Amino acid sequence: DTGVSQDPRHKITKRGQNVTFRCDPISEHNRLYWYRQTLGQGPEFLTYFQNEAQLEKSRLLSDRFSAERPKGSFSTLEIQRTEQGDSAMYLCASSLALPGQYFGPGTRLTVT
Amino acid sequence: GIQVEQSPPDLILQEGANSTLRCNFSDSVNNLQWFHQNPWGQLINLFYIPSGTKQNGRLSATTVATERYSLLYISSSQTTDSGVYFCAVDEETSGSRLTFGEGTQLTVNP
Repeated sequence: DTGVSQDPRHKITKRGQNVTFRCDPISEHNRLYWYRQTLGQGPEFLTYFQNEAQLEKSRLLSDRFSAERPKGSFSTLEIQRTEQGDSAMYLCASSLALPGQYFGPGTRLTVT
Repeated sequence: GIQVEQSPPDLILQEGANSTLRCNFSDSVNNLQWFHQNPWGQLINLFYIPSGTKQNGRLSATTVATERYSLLYISSSQTTDSGVYFCAVDEETSGSRLTFGEGTQLTVNP
């Protein structure tokens, strides 16, 4: 069991550029989640997948954000036309139905 | 949506001291987890505890679901316990997303 992995760990981009993050869940975990965490706050839910189906999206997920999990394994989160307000830590988690979610190390995004 | 409140927001201890962190939530939950976020941002699972009491070494947790609160106990604190402790809940009607509190920032001084 290698845990949840995320790539890249850090990303610096200029405003207006597109970025894509990858998450590899714990093998055989059928649920995958994306959260966003800004400085001094707890993580906030963005979206979640059960297998390849995207079952829930937060209203935080504007139309510039898109997430996929094409084969029910790894997932990607893309942000188009980045804004400075997108600067945050993007966290991925995975789980079976129980007993709880396991988080990856996160991708820290800085938009300049 | 469900509200999660953690207290205290900040806690400073001397090494060896004990502490209790509290998490109150506003509705019935399927899941409650405690996490420790290290200085690099990694969220480390401490407990999955929707009800009852669990212990793991110097840490223990109790959730009283009927009264909608959970407590995390840290005994004989060490400098490596420093970081932010988060409580997160999955409300019964949510479909499994976690709602986090704002955390307790713990600093343990040598």
